[in-house]
Amino acid sequence: GQNIDQPTEMTATEGAIVQINCTYQTSGFNGLFWYQQHAGEAPTFLSYNVLDGLEEKGRFSSFLSRSKGYSYLLLKELQMKDSASYLCAPFNFNKFYFGSGTKLNVKP
Amino acid sequence: EPEVTQTPSHQVTQMGQEVILRCVPISNHLYFYWYRQILGQKVEFLVSFYNNEISEKSEIFDDQFSVERPDGSNFTLKIRSTKLEDSAMYFCASRNQGNEVYGYTFGSGTRLTVV
Repeated sequence: GQNIDQPTEMTATEGAIVQINCTYQTSGFNGLFWYQQHAGEAPTFLSYNVLDGLEEKGRFSSFLSRSKGYSYLLLKELQMKDSASYLCAPFNFNKFYFGSGTKLNVKP
Repeated sequence: EPEVTQTPSHQVTQMGQEVILRCVPISNHLYFYWYRQILGQKVEFLVSFYNNEISEKSEIFDDQFSVERPDGSNFTLKIRSTKLEDSAMYFCASRNQGNEVYGYTFGSGTRLTVV
């Protein structure tokens, strides 16, 4: 079976840094994606890890430890528009297993 | 930038009616997917399709569901007799062979409401 855990909700202040953690157990693993989803919209790609370590992409970074089944998404210099749900999504060649998402509230 | 296009964006249907959700994947993509997201819940895999046949389906994808690629461009999801619990956002996705990573593209979704 698949089990993906991430916090339900987080609040942070504009300009700050926030880290969203994810632990996972899936049958088959080829990498882990992070998606951003605004309410009523499709998920949009943020970051991807296939090897252990940190991937940096502008204000967003993602870390993966395959042996621990653990990943995090780091968002720097938070902006109000970053208020959204962030989905941890392990990938198994053919499909995603999505977590329930972490709703991030960015305050002024 | 190429997009996956879904129509309609919203559909309201009566319980028991058949609905067809339409998707136009990116033109050179070979793998096609449907996912759904019930309001407030996580995105769930329904089915994957390659080489004109289903390659994998989830437990959700029962006999009420079917997929088809009727021509070279469209990819459809049919629900034969809709139930209230089929109300959800349905996302189509596609990717090219050998480009599992960045080529996996989601459409903007169809919001299905069964009344």
